[in-house]
Amino acid sequence: NAGVMQNPRHLVRRRGQEARLRCSPMKGHSHVYWYRQLPEEGLKFMVYLQKENIIDESGMPKERFSAEFPKEGPSILRIQQVVRGDSAAYFCASSPPGTGEIYGYTFGSGTRLTVV
Amino acid sequence: GEDVEQSLFLSVREGDSSVINCTYTDSSSTYLYWYKQEPGAGLQLLTYIFSNMDMKQDQRLTVLLNKKDKHLSLRIADTQTGDSAIYFCAENRNGANNLFFGTGTRLTVIP
Repeated sequence: NAGVMQNPRHLVRRRGQEARLRCSPMKGHSHVYWYRQLPEEGLKFMVYLQKENIIDESGMPKERFSAEFPKEGPSILRIQQVVRGDSAAYFCASSPPGTGEIYGYTFGSGTRLTVV
Repeated sequence: GEDVEQSLFLSVREGDSSVINCTYTDSSSTYLYWYKQEPGAGLQLLTYIFSNMDMKQDQRLTVLLNKKDKHLSLRIADTQTGDSAIYFCAENRNGANNLFFGTGTRLTVIP
């Protein structure tokens, strides 16, 4: 039973390019969460999705960032026109419906985005 | 305050006990968590405690919760070099689905 799979592990983009980060949740998990970790900081919540629905995007920057979790395929976090300040580790977590807060969330290994 | 607070660094000698402290923000948080992050890796859930408990023990790990002071601690007995990592506490405020994390405590175990 594979864990939460994120790819790529490392991503380098030039300023102004687009970054696409992918997350496949654990089997049986229908809830996906994206977090961002800036250097030397803790994780900050960005967005919570279920299949085809954004449930809570209160942590998403208002511009350039978007997320989706389609009926088929992985969840995608998309960052348009990247800037240096977007350089961070982006973590995806998943949980089964209704129990994430009880058992915690399973995290992937993250995508480390570097903007040059 | 708004932030979950932790000390940034802790060093202990191998075999000693480690105590990592955390002050969280929301007295209505129903669950509190400790996660471990090794270099270049994701977060691994170590343990969690329900807010109506004062203490939880799991092998070498002991979690203490003081709801009055909104203080959470993680004690690691017989600390080993493999315990060197960053430890994050987290809370789910208002029973929300997302978690709020502290800045992490970097534990260094000296052989």
